[in-house]
Amino acid sequence: RKEVEQDPGPFNVPEGATVAFNCTYSNSASQSFFWYRQDCRKEPKLLMSVYSSGNEDGRFTAQLNRASQYISLLIRDSKLSDSATYLCVVGSPGGSYIPTFGRGTSLIVHP
Amino acid sequence: EAGVAQSPRYKIIEKRQSVAFWCNPISGHATLYWYQQILGQGPKLLIQFQNNGVVDDSQLPKDRFSAERLKGVDSTLKIQPAKLEDSAVYLCASSLVSQNTEAFFGQGTRLTVV
Repeated sequence: RKEVEQDPGPFNVPEGATVAFNCTYSNSASQSFFWYRQDCRKEPKLLMSVYSSGNEDGRFTAQLNRASQYISLLIRDSKLSDSATYLCVVGSPGGSYIPTFGRGTSLIVHP
Repeated sequence: EAGVAQSPRYKIIEKRQSVAFWCNPISGHATLYWYQQILGQGPKLLIQFQNNGVVDDSQLPKDRFSAERLKGVDSTLKIQPAKLEDSAVYLCASSLVSQNTEAFFGQGTRLTVV
């Protein structure tokens, strides 16, 4: 089983739709969780951190389920500009703290 | 604030040749990462430095890849000799510390091995 797994998609949704992605992780000792966004041929950029209590930033909501070992990202009222790949990152204790990326989920928002 | 700088942006080499990439992290960032991103996949961590010490290099193919961060600031990643499967984007990232903090990425070096 891979350390961090994501459905690669693509998720093809119309503008205004609500879409959700999940990301599962295998290491129960994982301590930190993030969602990054990566546009085509660009570097990843932080979208939001994921806290135990969940967090919301405008149209984006991230949640953590430690019991089932997954994090989720919900995007409401999708915009064309949301089209990108969404990468989850899970930080697990190692020699220090080791961040591991999932393969990413591709989102395409169409008119 | 200046971001993570990487060079070169693009590199094309023949297999069995050598290549080196350079990274200058954000000033004051103690942690530096090198990732390899193959098309259609997520970034794979190759090596992580804390200041000038290596904290993880378990996924670095040490028979051909090497990296150093001698003064705890700039870093270089070298491949010698390159193989076709090394074609990828090599991303450098840095963060203030390692745990629970955002990593900032450079634009990457796109390597093509022919």
